Amino acid sequence: RKEVEQDPGPFNVPEGATVAFNCTYSNSASQSFFWYRQDCRKEPKLLMSVYSSGNEDGRFTAQLNRASQYISLLIRDSKLSDSATYLCVVPSDTGRRALTFGSGTRLQVQP
Amino acid sequence: DADVTQTPRNRITKTGKRIMLECSQTKGHDRMYWYRQDPGLGLRLIYYSFDVKDINKGEISDGYSVSRQAQAKFSLSLESAIPNQTALYFCATSDFADTDTQYFGPGTRLTVL
Repeated sequence: RKEVEQDPGPFNVPEGATVAFNCTYSNSASQSFFWYRQDCRKEPKLLMSVYSSGNEDGRFTAQLNRASQYISLLIRDSKLSDSATYLCVVPSDTGRRALTFGSGTRLQVQP
Repeated sequence: DADVTQTPRNRITKTGKRIMLECSQTKGHDRMYWYRQDPGLGLRLIYYSFDVKDINKGEISDGYSVSRQAQAKFSLSLESAIPNQTALYFCATSDFADTDTQYFGPGTRLTVL
């Protein structure tokens, strides 16, 4: 299994829809997980951190399933401004003190 | 002003040329990173530095070298550029107290012909 795997999408959803992305990871010892957002041709920015079973911030909810080694990101009431690529990030399992970024899931919210 | 800056923002060069990409930060962070991003491959770590005297190879360091001139500056060099080094390069920083939150620069788009 790759360190981090994501469905590349694109996910095309109408405004107001609820959409969820999954991400699987290989390092069962990971204690922290992250979702970053990247707009087209821009730098990634931290969206949410997940240290236990989950985290919620407004319309965004991240959930962790340690048994199955996946994390999910749920976006409720999608806005046009949510259109971006969402990167799943976990600590590297190579022994290096670094993060491993998934290749991202692209979301396109349509009017 | 941006906390993490990269220069140049765009560069087109020829095979065999030496290229230096520079990164500066005003966040006061001790940790700095260089990544490259290719379509469909996500961000891959090239080198990282936890302080001026601590330099570490990342996942794809071959063909690259780095210099940490000061806490605030971290440069990436391509000694002899080749076309498959065409990519979007990002510098990032993090604080030792919150290593997992990384702050990225705006990126450098490098094209090697």
